[in-house]
Amino acid sequence: AQSVAQPEDQVNVAEGNPLTVKCTYSVSGNPYLFWYVQYPNRGLQFLLKYITGDNLVKGSYGFEAEFNKSQTSFHLKKPSALVSDSALYFCAVRDEGRGRRALTFGSGTRLQVQP
Amino acid sequence: DAGVIQSPRHEVTEMGQEVTLRCKPISGHDYLFWYRQTMMRGLELLIYFNNNVPIDDSGMPEDRFSAKMPNASFSTLKIQPSEPRDSAVYFCASSSNRGSTEAFFGQGTRLTVV
Repeated sequence: AQSVAQPEDQVNVAEGNPLTVKCTYSVSGNPYLFWYVQYPNRGLQFLLKYITGDNLVKGSYGFEAEFNKSQTSFHLKKPSALVSDSALYFCAVRDEGRGRRALTFGSGTRLQVQP
Repeated sequence: DAGVIQSPRHEVTEMGQEVTLRCKPISGHDYLFWYRQTMMRGLELLIYFNNNVPIDDSGMPEDRFSAKMPNASFSTLKIQPSEPRDSAVYFCASSSNRGSTEAFFGQGTRLTVV
């Protein structure tokens, strides 16, 4: 079975500082990995994905994530946080090897950026 | 494209009533997913379709829940009878079998059963 762990319920960071939101995954085959962001009373918005190729992927709003196969991690990063980045972030995985199309989501991490 | 469209945005109903949630996926997408979000359980997959055919409904909580996709542009999720524990935000998402593989989500339907 595929699973995702987001070990931090909340991450606090000061505006202008770098941020990291952690994610580890478990799949039996090759992972497709995704990050989504959810603002209050809104749906999930796609940020970025890793399918294959470069381990460092860049996405929307200056976010990037690094795929680390040996550590089975896919941490979300941004060099300089903005107050407007405050939201709920979800990591998700799909096991491409099993042909299962649906994403399995982590429990979410609330990012709070202080001015 | 307007994205995935869900209706209604909010639904308040009394316990025992039938509730129908609606979803219009992005045109041309082959896959449609129904998820439920609660504080306690996070985001759970309820069911997903490929080319209008249900592929995996193992996440449907019980027989009170049913989902249909009569054509490529419309799906419903029905709860009959509804119970207070069904209160949640229900999301519909769609994705394509070609090119990008990410799923695009609707705005959700916030269901409150009193």
